[in-house]
Formats: sequence, C-alpha cells, structure tokens
Amino acid sequence: DADVTQTPRNRITKTGKRIMLECSQTKGHDRMYWYRQDPGLGLRLIYYSFDVKDINKGEISDGYSVSRQAQAKFSLSLESAIPNQTALYFCATSDPGTQETQYFGPGTRLLVL
Amino acid sequence: AQKVTQAQTEISVVEKEDVTLDCVYETRDTTYYLFWYKQPPSGELVFLIRRNSFDEQNEISGRYSWNFQKSTSSFNFTITASQVVDSAVYFCALREENRDDKIIFGKGTRLHILP
Repeated sequence: DADVTQTPRNRITKTGKRIMLECSQTKGHDRMYWYRQDPGLGLRLIYYSFDVKDINKGEISDGYSVSRQAQAKFSLSLESAIPNQTALYFCATSDPGTQETQYFGPGTRLLVL
Repeated sequence: AQKVTQAQTEISVVEKEDVTLDCVYETRDTTYYLFWYKQPPSGELVFLIRRNSFDEQNEISGRYSWNFQKSTSSFNFTITASQVVDSAVYFCALREENRDDKIIFGKGTRLHILP
C-alpha cells in the first residue's frame, strides 16, 4: 500500500463550489504539506503543518484552507472554487529524521469549470 | 534568497545515449539540502536523491549519477545508457537548514527518450 494517499485522484467541479481534497499517510511523519503544480511553474507551497496544532501559510494560500485532523490526515479545501485553481495538487510528508526529504502522494487533478 | 534554475526546459535523446540534466542553485546558507525528483507521465513525484551541503561526494545508483559541485553551485544529474522508461519531468529542489517551510523546486526538465 502507498505511504501517502490522496483522494480523489481526479475531480471536476464548477465555479463557486466548495471542495475538499484529502491526504492520508502511514509514514508516521509529523510534517505535512500541500502543493499545487501548474505547467511551467513547478510546485508551489499552499499550506504546511508541523503537527496537529500547527498550521502555516505557504506562498499561495489565498483561496484555500486546511485542516489537520490527526497526525496522519491533512485536508485541503477550496471554499469557492475558481477556474484558475485548476491544477495538479500534491500532498507531501516529511520528518526531521529523514533530513526533510519530502515524500509525495500520487496527486489530485482538479478541473474547475 | 533561495533559487533553483533548471535551464533546460526540454531535452530529447535517442535511447542508449547518455544525458545530463543541469541544476544550478542559489543560497546564502552554509547548510542546505538538494534533491532530485522524477515525475513520470502518470504524474506522481518520485524521490530520487538527497544531498547535504557538507557532503560533496558524487553518487552513483545504477544508471543514475549525480555531480555536486559547491564551487559552481551545481547539482547535475546524469542518466547513462538512457531507456524509454526514463522519459519524465525531472525536478531539482533546494531546502535551507533553517527554512522549515520551504523546499524550492526548479521548473523542471522534460526528458524524452526516443526509441
């Protein structure tokens, strides 16, 4: 089984809808991250969390919110989706013990119409 | 400020040729980590290697090798005897020791291995 899972893997939604992307991990890592990937722009950090009580904004947090329900779960919400949020979204985990190597989930392809 | 530059946007080589993917980074920190990730057509991001700033030894893993040179701030990746399965986008990334939040990714190099 994969160490980092994301659901759904693909999602089509309409402008204005609220959606949630979920991430679960079995690696036992404390640190979790959400990124988005756009063609030609690489990966950009949306939010990150170092433990259940610690949530931090990344470089592009506007229009997004997150919830760290447990050490193993980190959800990303789009409160009112807009077309320029169409992207590939990745969840990642890391741990100081691995010198912060980030391990990524399989990604969620989101299309906002 | 941190920065990672992958100047090669796209490369095509014929199978069995060797190919080198360039990565140049900028940092003011003396302690940092460099990474390479592979993104095959299926879309997932696969961790390939991590290098610490204080360890300049080059590394070889099968057909993959990495050349880390602090003097030129480069961390280049070479695939020897390329195969079609190596076709992917490859990302170089940098994290500074004291920046808990930030891994900075380059924009990636798309590698096509032609049969």
